[in-house]
Amino acid sequence: EPEVTQTPSHQVTQMGQEVILRCVPISNHLYFYWYRQILGQKVEFLVSFYNNEISEKSEIFDDQFSVERPDGSNFTLKIRSTKLEDSAMYFCASTSTGLILYFGEGSWLTVV
Amino acid sequence: KNEVEQSPQNLTAQEGEFITINCSYSVGISALHWLQQHPGGGIVSLFMLSSGKKKHGRLIATINIQEKHSSLHITASHPRDSAVYICAVQKTSYDKVIFGPGTSLSVIP
Repeated sequence: EPEVTQTPSHQVTQMGQEVILRCVPISNHLYFYWYRQILGQKVEFLVSFYNNEISEKSEIFDDQFSVERPDGSNFTLKIRSTKLEDSAMYFCASTSTGLILYFGEGSWLTVV
Repeated sequence: KNEVEQSPQNLTAQEGEFITINCSYSVGISALHWLQQHPGGGIVSLFMLSSGKKKHGRLIATINIQEKHSSLHITASHPRDSAVYICAVQKTSYDKVIFGPGTSLSVIP
């Protein structure tokens, strides 16, 4: 069974620090997504990415966030200057068909 | 108003019981997903539906497009089924997934 892998599984960071969350999507997938889930809340869309460009972003995805696919395999989410409210589980997802989705196990980010 | 609603929010069942989780949505969709979130947080896709009914093992998912409603059924529930079950929709292929609030299921031996 193919899988999406995410690292780190858990990161604790000081407020104001930069964080990079990494995802390795399934190898033949071309569409990538980041979602987040604040503890106790529902999963929310952050950004979608295709052909090395952002396809869509939510209002959560402000100038502090960026995504890139630096080497053709990794797909990263960077938070430039973390805030307490960025504490959440971040999920990466990928798809080739647009409807069959594969999610990673998530990266817990705790900002202190 | 939330685009995807689920009921119940929480559900406790005795092992062996038949379980139904309901989902209603308010937008036109190309697909509806049922997902399972483990206690550790990971999300697993259970079903993708665009019409009708699908079955996998003890899980059955149905959708009524006209009524904008879907149900997830678990037959002969088991403690290992304890998880959060999430209904989510996509308006079009490749579009972002819009998640419901989830239903927390606990199956007691």
